[in-house]
Amino acid sequence: EAQVTQNPRYLITVTGKKLTVTCSQNMNHEYMSWYRQDPGLGLRQIYYSMNVEVTDKGDVPEGYKVSRKEKRNFPLILESPSPNQTSLYFCASSFWANTGELFFGEGSRLTVL
Amino acid sequence: QQQVKQSPQSLIVQKGGISIINCAYENTAFDYFPWYQQFPGKGPALLIAIRPDVSEKKEGRFTISFNKSAKQFSLHIMDSQPGDSATYFCAASELGYGQNFVFGPGTRLSVLP
Repeated sequence: EAQVTQNPRYLITVTGKKLTVTCSQNMNHEYMSWYRQDPGLGLRQIYYSMNVEVTDKGDVPEGYKVSRKEKRNFPLILESPSPNQTSLYFCASSFWANTGELFFGEGSRLTVL
Repeated sequence: QQQVKQSPQSLIVQKGGISIINCAYENTAFDYFPWYQQFPGKGPALLIAIRPDVSEKKEGRFTISFNKSAKQFSLHIMDSQPGDSATYFCAASELGYGQNFVFGPGTRLSVLP
């Protein structure tokens, strides 16, 4: 089954404790991206990647890091989480070749105390 | 320039009625306008999309109307059903420029039985 898998789905952590949210897709997509969803703000892009070893900042990159060492994986790293990073996070992927459709994971709800 | 505005924030419609959600954008370079549907606990999924070379696109009960001169587009759901109750996001993108999407803040639709 074609899918984007995120882990963990739910996480409660404390300020400053490094964490990683993993994202994996099995559709051989070149493009992957991370979004955060907050009430009234919709989906805002954090980072994106056009292909392996190619990443770039989205609209709200502060406090986040990413890496793309393999085509299928695109982890989101919070080096020192803060309460304002409490949010619902989505990973998405698509083919690069102008197909337009983003495939989203089911989301990771993160709470930073 | 990158913002996509969406209204209303929430919408309640009786079963069988028409649901209308409106979006407006500023960046004239956008050339792809999708709508995503999100059910609680799930990631957004592509519902329908339009390119600016047509003024309307219909798929079943869902229609996008696009007004290029006004930089506006809307989603019409005919014969709305309780199963349509979800959050709807409009988005815009320059497909040839990294496929980076700008999302509207979302509309929560409730269809009453």
